[in-house]
Amino acid sequence: AQSVAQPEDQVNVAEGNPLTVKCTYSVSGNPYLFWYVQYPNRGLQFLLKYITGDNLVKGSYGFEAEFNKSQTSFHLKKPSALVSDSALYFCAVRDKFNNAGNMLTFGGGTRLMVKP
Amino acid sequence: KAGVTQTPRYLIKTRGQQVTLSCSPISGHRSVSWYQQTPGQGLQFLFEYFSETQRNKGNFPGRFSGRQFSNSRSEMNVSTLELGDSALYLCASSGGLDTGELFFGEGSRLTVL
Repeated sequence: AQSVAQPEDQVNVAEGNPLTVKCTYSVSGNPYLFWYVQYPNRGLQFLLKYITGDNLVKGSYGFEAEFNKSQTSFHLKKPSALVSDSALYFCAVRDKFNNAGNMLTFGGGTRLMVKP
Repeated sequence: KAGVTQTPRYLIKTRGQQVTLSCSPISGHRSVSWYQQTPGQGLQFLFEYFSETQRNKGNFPGRFSGRQFSNSRSEMNVSTLELGDSALYLCASSGGLDTGELFFGEGSRLTVL
């Protein structure tokens, strides 16, 4: 069975500093990997995905993520954090088996707090 | 383009009752997925429908069911409610099959007393 781990419940960073939100995964075969963000009392918003190709994936709002197959990681990064980036971030994986559809397995989420 | 619409946004039920939640996907999207979000279990996949057919089902008891109509609108039903069913139920639609790029609604928050 596939799984996703986000080892940090919360990440604190000062505005203007770089941020990293960590994610590791376990899945048979090669995965599809995703990052989603959830603002208070809202649904999730898609940020970016990795399917194949370049290990560095760029997404919305200046976020990027680096796929590392040997470490089974997919960490989310941003060079300069904004206060408005404060939210709950979820890493997710979709197995590449046939008929997986849009069924995603999510990590537990990491709360990002960016302080002015 | 209107986003994913879920109704009702909030509802309170008592144990043993049943509830039906509705989801209208983004126009043109034929895939609709449902997820349950709770503080303890996080986000868990319930089921996915595509062209009125259930494609996948998560590890939930048979009290949880769903369906999709010919216009892609979807409903999920929970019968014989338990306290542990209190959660935010999120619906997501996708324009492609197997893309994993989901557009989520704001959710229906169910409280079971």
